[in-house]
Amino acid sequence: SAVISQKPSRDICQRGTSLTIQCQVDSQVTMMFWYRQQPGQSLTLIATANQGSEATYESGFVIDKFPISRPNLTFSTLTVSNMSPEDSSIYLCSVDSPRSNIQYFGAGTRLSVL
Amino acid sequence: QKEVEQDPGPLSVPEGAIVSLNCTYSNSAFQYFMWYRQYSRKGPELLMYTYSSGNKEDGRFTAQVDKSSKYISLFIRDSQPSDSATYLCAMGTDSWGKLQFGAGTQVVVTP
Repeated sequence: SAVISQKPSRDICQRGTSLTIQCQVDSQVTMMFWYRQQPGQSLTLIATANQGSEATYESGFVIDKFPISRPNLTFSTLTVSNMSPEDSSIYLCSVDSPRSNIQYFGAGTRLSVL
Repeated sequence: QKEVEQDPGPLSVPEGAIVSLNCTYSNSAFQYFMWYRQYSRKGPELLMYTYSSGNKEDGRFTAQVDKSSKYISLFIRDSQPSDSATYLCAMGTDSWGKLQFGAGTQVVVTP
């Protein structure tokens, strides 16, 4: 399985600011995914990021609020823009396995917005 | 109705007991079935993976898939306090990528 590093591990931010979360993988992967996990809830897919193309967003998530970059096969960023307290959540990066749709996850970024 | 239903618990068991977890689903196109374990303040960790129907065993863990009933289970034998975590089921179709996750069941194993 891939080793996934996510930064920052946690942050406390002010309302109206933006935070960029980084996800680095130790091997080349085709697809990277960004999830949100709100307290006590399951994972909700925000978007899927392929290298060299625009990210594909799920219903309820828009690019202006959650811009994503995927400059190469080992790295992606998710920005949470113009934050409000409702954005307080854990944000998780995952990558796919080359032979199946098993996904492997980073440790997550715990975000609190005041 | 959610595509994947999972009882959120908490499920409390004494050390050494068998833990039984399950998920039901509505999408008959699901072919890949996974169980993830998530400790507090950590990302989900893949525990078991099954393709299509059947059973799979790995040490103290057994995963079962019953596609006719749209029901999957995870059993943990000889449970340990270190098994205390949230267990998430996840499912995917043959198409590449997207997974549907259950709500997660919190398990507490008491010494």
